[in-house]
Amino acid sequence: KNEVEQSPQNLTAQEGEFITINCSYSVGISALHWLQQHPGGGIVSLFMLSSGKKKHGRLIATINIQEKHSSLHITASHPRDSAVYICAGGGSQGNLIFGKGTKLSVKP
Amino acid sequence: EAGVAQSPRYKIIEKRQSVAFWCNPISGHATLYWYQQILGQGPKLLIQFQNNGVVDDSQLPKDRFSAERLKGVDSTLKIQPAKLEDSAVYLCASSPWGVRSYEQYFGPGTRLTVT
Repeated sequence: KNEVEQSPQNLTAQEGEFITINCSYSVGISALHWLQQHPGGGIVSLFMLSSGKKKHGRLIATINIQEKHSSLHITASHPRDSAVYICAGGGSQGNLIFGKGTKLSVKP
Repeated sequence: EAGVAQSPRYKIIEKRQSVAFWCNPISGHATLYWYQQILGQGPKLLIQFQNNGVVDDSQLPKDRFSAERLKGVDSTLKIQPAKLEDSAVYLCASSPWGVRSYEQYFGPGTRLTVT
């Protein structure tokens, strides 16, 4: 069975802190998505990666294929980063398998 | 480029009533998905279309849920009759032909509350 597990479920940080969200996945997942969901429901794709590391602004995503683990890092966090961050794996059937999300709250 | 459009954004209905959601995918995207996201959980795939054909509807509660994608463009998702446990955000996503389906573009979602 393909599974995606995220941690932590909830995360509160002070503005400026370095944040890490972790994602572990099982065999059968060929690529990782990191998604951001703001209150109201809409989802925005942040990264899609199958190896190495990607960076966009203050966001960095890494993946370790051997350990089946990915991390999303936010440097110099800001209250506008407050959202739910979802890890999703591309399954063997070409579908997306979602984690339950990490709710991030950044306090000013 | 316009994104995935959904309407309505919010809907409140009583149990046993019917409701319909509409999705317009990104122009040219052959694959369309409907997801249900219950509060505190990740999205769950309800149905996947490739053009106007169904690829996967294994998790669609077919006794009350139905979906169609006429002409391979817009899609509607219907619930009839609604139950309290159907309260959720319904997300539509699309992906282009020939691309692995994990490269998906999401709409803003429709938040359904069943009372």
